[in-house]
Amino acid sequence: GQQLNQSPQSMFIQEGEDVSMNCTSSSIFNTWLWYKQDPGEGPVLLIALYKAGELTSNGRLTAQFGITRKDSFLNISASIPSDVGIYFCAGRKGTSGTYKYIFGTGTRLKVLA
Amino acid sequence: ETGVTQSPTHLIKTRGQQVTLRCSSQSGHNTVSWYQQALGQGPQFIFQYYREEENGRGNFPPRFSGLQFPNYSSELNVNALELDDSALYLCASSLLDRGVYGYTFGSGTRLTVV
Repeated sequence: GQQLNQSPQSMFIQEGEDVSMNCTSSSIFNTWLWYKQDPGEGPVLLIALYKAGELTSNGRLTAQFGITRKDSFLNISASIPSDVGIYFCAGRKGTSGTYKYIFGTGTRLKVLA
Repeated sequence: ETGVTQSPTHLIKTRGQQVTLRCSSQSGHNTVSWYQQALGQGPQFIFQYYREEENGRGNFPPRFSGLQFPNYSSELNVNALELDDSALYLCASSLLDRGVYGYTFGSGTRLTVV
């Protein structure tokens, strides 16, 4: 099945550092989403983006919807230990009533205290 | 407001068997979607149900089927299990077209096929 490509696959960073990750697709999406998944849990939505070029923040998280509508970026500033987890991007496609979500391959983040 | 509940949390089945996984939607949600998440991968869309009818399907064979009940709870059935069906199965419930923040995932059922 189709999956979006995320990079990096995994990263180890020191507490307090900033983190950047991105997501690319061969097709266009009208909505980009960023999720975090902790072990044994389902994904939890962090940020949603609805317009090309849009830049949206949620606390220490900032995400951008690429101009081409085929990519998105997520930045985490001043990382803390609880930022550990797997981050997934997702594109939403379809029409009203039939939306489905295409997920990326994930970026595994580990924060060293 | 209750969250999305899935059962069982873990399950081991033998190749060739059939399995039923269950999802209890968040209160008031009329849409449920099912995803398969293989180890180290992102979730893959299986199908979606709205008002007891399937209204979207991903690239999964017909041996993956589902049901949605009048109370909006849902089942995922997989027949003739294969080893590659081993994965975390997630359901997500929502109120149709109410926006992405209302799209809530359960914690999943970990299925192991041996």
